[in-house]
Amino acid sequence: DQQVKQNSPSLSVQEGRISILNCDYTNSMFDYFLWYKKYPAEGPTFLISISSIKDKNEDGRFTVFLNKSAKHLSLHIVPSQPGDSAVYFCAASGDNFNKFYFGSGTKLNVKP
Amino acid sequence: GAVVSQHPSRVICKSGTSVKIECRSLDFQATTMFWYRQFPKQSLMLMATSNEGSKATYEQGVEKDKFLINHASLTLSTLTVTSAHPEDSSFYICSARDRTDAFSGANVLTFGAGSRLTVL
Repeated sequence: DQQVKQNSPSLSVQEGRISILNCDYTNSMFDYFLWYKKYPAEGPTFLISISSIKDKNEDGRFTVFLNKSAKHLSLHIVPSQPGDSAVYFCAASGDNFNKFYFGSGTKLNVKP
Repeated sequence: GAVVSQHPSRVICKSGTSVKIECRSLDFQATTMFWYRQFPKQSLMLMATSNEGSKATYEQGVEKDKFLINHASLTLSTLTVTSAHPEDSSFYICSARDRTDAFSGANVLTFGAGSRLTVL
């Protein structure tokens, strides 16, 4: 039973436009949500996070939005750059930080 | 920044043999490391939590006798796939808790690059 879902396996966006990556979760006990970015042949790297007490967190070109009632979060990248092309994973954690539940990833392709 | 090194990146072995995968934190100490497994187009599935100096904690459905985990030091955890079979072929990735995100307070994981195991 997958508790974190990324229903779009891939996304293609033109350079300079906005990229929106979506993530849904089922467990209302999740408190923290993180986005990881993964290039081929490398491990995922931490990108941005958000706590359930917030509905938005912004870091440069990256903004994460959280809609707790809908159990939905999204990552916005604007403007998108070709170097942003990677696989993006969302992850969720509850009180026990030993448990990070990951989505299946969305492969973003930013076209020049 | 924090780096986690995982070795080997690729391994091919015959059915029935054992394979060891190493996970090292290069510039920080990790009392806890995590082992994940990823099937194609699926999520990273937590297999076990590796605790330095004590037994690993396995997730439900993970055979602890097949996937032996040893956390011998604060910088090294190993995963041994014993008597490997073709169904064990997968992508295995380790991570360590590196720091606490200043904004959310969430523990941030640093990942190794993963190991692709192919059992013939």
